[in-house]
Amino acid sequence: NAGVTQTPKFRVLKTGQSMTLLCAQDMNHEYMYWYRQDPGMGLRLIHYSVGEGTTAKGEVPDGYNVSRLKKQNFLLGLESAAPSQTSVYFCASSPWDRGRTDTQYFGPGTRLTVL
Amino acid sequence: TQLLEQSPQFLSIQEGENLTVYCNSSSVFSSLQWYRQEPGEGPVLLVTVVTGGEVKKLKRLTFQFGDARKDSSLHITAAQPGDTGLYLCAGAKSNTGKLIFGQGTTLQVKP
Repeated sequence: NAGVTQTPKFRVLKTGQSMTLLCAQDMNHEYMYWYRQDPGMGLRLIHYSVGEGTTAKGEVPDGYNVSRLKKQNFLLGLESAAPSQTSVYFCASSPWDRGRTDTQYFGPGTRLTVL
Repeated sequence: TQLLEQSPQFLSIQEGENLTVYCNSSSVFSSLQWYRQEPGEGPVLLVTVVTGGEVKKLKRLTFQFGDARKDSSLHITAAQPGDTGLYLCAGAKSNTGKLIFGQGTTLQVKP
């Protein structure tokens, strides 16, 4: 099993450009998440999904959109990138286990720089 | 609003020393997790504590969940350079499917 994979690993954008980050998991997990990690701020939840075809806003959703068309994939889109979106982005997935969904498995991250 | 406060944020110690990292909140969590993250990688789960007062040991690491399920601590005995990394605590709220992360503690263990 590959676990959780993310593409790309690195990306540099100019302000106003758009891009999509792809997350894939092969563990048949119901829940998937997108986080951003900035120095001194831990991980902040951007959007998440509780199953195929569903999405919900997290703590910092502005400027991002997501889609979960297939259970194994969760896409994060930036329509018009801004320098404030420079960050490391992590995808995670979680199984539905006896009513608990707190065990999350993380991908390796995407380092995004917006100039 | 940061609901989970970790302290200290940075810790630099010599090999063989002991240390404790704290994770505090005013909120009650259904469970609390500790993750370790190495540079260029995603966080990896170390342990989950569920019951108030629970203590779990993982080799030289001891994790404790507060009686009221609002706080937790991570104690490392005889730290080694391999323990270097970012330690994150994360609290789960019942049936939300979401975790709330602390800011993290960067640990450097010098040989």
